[in-house]
Amino acid sequence: DGGITQSPKYLFRKEGQNVTLSCEQNLNHDAMYWYRQDPGQGLRLIYYSQIVNDFQKGDIAEGYSVSREKKESFPLTVTSAQKNPTAFYLCASSIGRQGGYSGANVLTFGAGSRLTVL
Amino acid sequence: AQKVTQAQTEISVVEKEDVTLDCVYETRDTTYYLFWYKQPPSGELVFLIRRNSFDEQNEISGRYSWNFQKSTSSFNFTITASQVVDSAVYFCALGPQGSGNTGKLIFGQGTTLQVKP
Repeated sequence: DGGITQSPKYLFRKEGQNVTLSCEQNLNHDAMYWYRQDPGQGLRLIYYSQIVNDFQKGDIAEGYSVSREKKESFPLTVTSAQKNPTAFYLCASSIGRQGGYSGANVLTFGAGSRLTVL
Repeated sequence: AQKVTQAQTEISVVEKEDVTLDCVYETRDTTYYLFWYKQPPSGELVFLIRRNSFDEQNEISGRYSWNFQKSTSSFNFTITASQVVDSAVYFCALGPQGSGNTGKLIFGQGTTLQVKP
């Protein structure tokens, strides 16, 4: 079955450490996204990528980094520069530009990764 | 600025009751999309509906219905005869039209719905 796989599901980090969250999709989607979810604040966009080897900052990119070397993979690194990293992180994908001029794409989400800083 | 407001933080109903989740949005775009997603306890958001701003017809899908009113910038979601399996967090979202930033959605804060047996 096609979908998005995020790992690990739970992650604990000590202050000052970088951690990388994995996101893999087998939907053949061009576009991928990272959202952060905090209680009472909904989802906020961290980074997105519409094509391999290209990505753009979202609304809250500070303290995060990404790469898009393969179409299927869009890992997110939470660096020590992120002051408040404890949150639920959701990866998503959409058909992207191959869908033509069809307006805002439907997002398919992974099950999320919960990061806790100790 | 674009913004989505879901004023109801938490709603609790008894099974078989009808419940409406409110969503109000702000945008200067003349064309846009509106979405509803469901987040069950497992954490994965599930797509429910996408509506183009040009289409103001109400939509019904089984026990779910959506009321889009452009004049009041609202896109409300009603669950008829609620069931325990409807318990989840529901998000309303606003998205731009066009092949550019097609996945950059503006999400509301979410409404937690609890359906008691």
